[in-house]
Amino acid sequence: GENVEQHPSTLSVQEGDSAVIKCTYSDSASNYFPWYKQELGKRPQLIIDIRSNVGEKKDQRIAVTLNKTAKHFSLHITETQPEDSAVYFCAASRSYNTDKLIFGTGTRLQVFP
Amino acid sequence: NAGVTQTPKFQVLKTGQSMTLQCAQDMNHNSMYWYRQDPGMGLRLIYYSASEGTTDKGEVPNGYNVSRLNKREFSLRLESAAPSQTSVYFCASRQGETEAFFGQGTRLTVV
Repeated sequence: GENVEQHPSTLSVQEGDSAVIKCTYSDSASNYFPWYKQELGKRPQLIIDIRSNVGEKKDQRIAVTLNKTAKHFSLHITETQPEDSAVYFCAASRSYNTDKLIFGTGTRLQVFP
Repeated sequence: NAGVTQTPKFQVLKTGQSMTLQCAQDMNHNSMYWYRQDPGMGLRLIYYSASEGTTDKGEVPNGYNVSRLNKREFSLRLESAAPSQTSVYFCASRQGETEAFFGQGTRLTVV
């Protein structure tokens, strides 16, 4: 079945450094790849997403890259700030036949001042 | 707009008891989902409904049942609760290949 693997499980960086989180997916029919941020005690919220017809997407300090051949995608956060500290989840889905949305296991990012 | 609303927010059950978690969305979304979140395990899909009248198993469906009552409501039922079902449960909805919106979560403890 579909599977999404996410690494690392924890990541600690100094404020101002960059952070990279990587995911791989198993279902070659997946064509939508969102990233969610979950602050402590709150619900997950979308921060950026990418579709299979695009290789890279940026939104201010965050960017996502997609390599469909290798079936992996990554989240890049530049100039990290303490408020970026949270758990980040990647996910994958395909829009035909099924609308299943599968998440990775999450990365706890800590940004130290 | 309320978005996605889950009830209850907290619940303690004894082993063997049953309960239903309620979820409603007011965004006219076709797809609805139930996830459980456990430490180190991420968000695991229990069941989902791609449209009114259809439901499908996710990654961890055992011990649960669902009902898509109408387009707005998607409930999750535990027939005989077990300690292994202690978790935080999230309902979500979305329209096609777009952002999924989550409810505030239900923290369930089975003793």
